[in-house]
Amino acid sequence: QQQVKQSPQSLIVQKGGISIINCAYENTAFDYFPWYQQFPGKGPALLIAIRPDVSEKKEGRFTISFNKSAKQFSLHIMDSQPGDSATYFCAVPNTGTASKLTFGTGTRLQVTL
Amino acid sequence: NAGVTQTPKFQVLKTGQSMTLQCAQDMNHEYMSWYRQDPGMGLRLIHYSVGAGITDQGEVPNGYNVSRSTTEDFPLRLLSAAPSQTSVYFCASSSQAAGTGGGYTFGSGTRLTVV
Repeated sequence: QQQVKQSPQSLIVQKGGISIINCAYENTAFDYFPWYQQFPGKGPALLIAIRPDVSEKKEGRFTISFNKSAKQFSLHIMDSQPGDSATYFCAVPNTGTASKLTFGTGTRLQVTL
Repeated sequence: NAGVTQTPKFQVLKTGQSMTLQCAQDMNHEYMSWYRQDPGMGLRLIHYSVGAGITDQGEVPNGYNVSRSTTEDFPLRLLSAAPSQTSVYFCASSSQAAGTGGGYTFGSGTRLTVV
């Protein structure tokens, strides 16, 4: 069974700062690594995803960095805003089937003024 | 609005009762999944389906049943509710397998309390 370690558990960043969330996994047979964003009382929503044929993917203020040899990837939020305050989850495809994702335990981000 | 609809939004059950959590999507997605979310444990897969008539177990299937008679609907049945099943349940769908690029669309969740 896939093991996914996400850190930190919680994070407080000042407005305008950089938020960094890390994810490490054991093994996977597939090549799609997403991050999800969840606001209180809502379901998670796909934020950004990467395929490991590239080491970095950027969408606006959000960037994924991927290190395939280390089996790690991270989410960087540049110029963090109070509206970014949410819980973030990384996810990794299962080793046995492409139909299953294993999620990290989540990082609660608070962006202060 | 297109998306994943879950009902009910809140439910309180007594230990031993059974109930069905409903999930419907109108995006013609083949892949559907049920997750439970507990504090500090992230999202854990209960059951999933790769198409009508095809279901399989996730990492925490005990105490739950599913069926997929149509592409649109994927109900989750609690057979005999236990306090350990107190959680927030999310249904998700995708157009392709999650590991190959199928970004999930999640419902808004069902908050279940078993007393």
